[in-house]
Amino acid sequence: EPEVTQTPSHQVTQMGQEVILRCVPISNHLYFYWYRQILGQKVEFLVSFYNNEISEKSEIFDDQFSVERPDGSNFTLKIRSTKLEDSAMYFCASSPDREQFFGPGTRLTVL
Amino acid sequence: GNSVTQMEGPVTLSEEAFLTINCTYTATGYPSLFWYVQYPGEGLQLLLKATKADDKGSNKGFEATYRKETTSFHLEKGSVQVSDSAVYFCASLSGGYNKLIFGAGTRLAVHP
Repeated sequence: EPEVTQTPSHQVTQMGQEVILRCVPISNHLYFYWYRQILGQKVEFLVSFYNNEISEKSEIFDDQFSVERPDGSNFTLKIRSTKLEDSAMYFCASSPDREQFFGPGTRLTVL
Repeated sequence: GNSVTQMEGPVTLSEEAFLTINCTYTATGYPSLFWYVQYPGEGLQLLLKATKADDKGSNKGFEATYRKETTSFHLEKGSVQVSDSAVYFCASLSGGYNKLIFGAGTRLAVHP
């Protein structure tokens, strides 16, 4: 059964550094998303992406964040200058229509 | 704006007990509703869904009915197992194909 994959599973970085989180969505899906979950808190929407552009973003998704679909398979989330409060689990999801399929997540730790 | 409210956990049950986790939503229009489950150390897995009023979603013995009149989507299971121990998230999806709005999650612990 096809699934969403994410790499790395755990990323540790220093405050101020750039990180790129990678996702491979399910191949025939058209809609892509990033969510995050700060430890012990609810899952929060960051951004949705369709037809090679952002379709919606939350107030969390400020100028430090960007997304890209550099080729036909990968979907990336870049944080330009990480802050301590960016430490969270980041989930990628893809969807053919309304049902979203989630990857296993990348745990980002900012020191 | 749209929101989802879940009962606070943790919920602690003995094996074979009956489970209810309450979920209510606020939304403009009629959202699709979902329950996701997160097992320890893992990502989010879709457990069940309902796309319109009076629909019942079901999977692995879990059920939830979309109640428009009470704006609710409560999760139930008749007999829980230790393997059901996880965090359960209720979520709504409104308008277009964009964001899921999640509840805070309810941790379930089932003891033998």
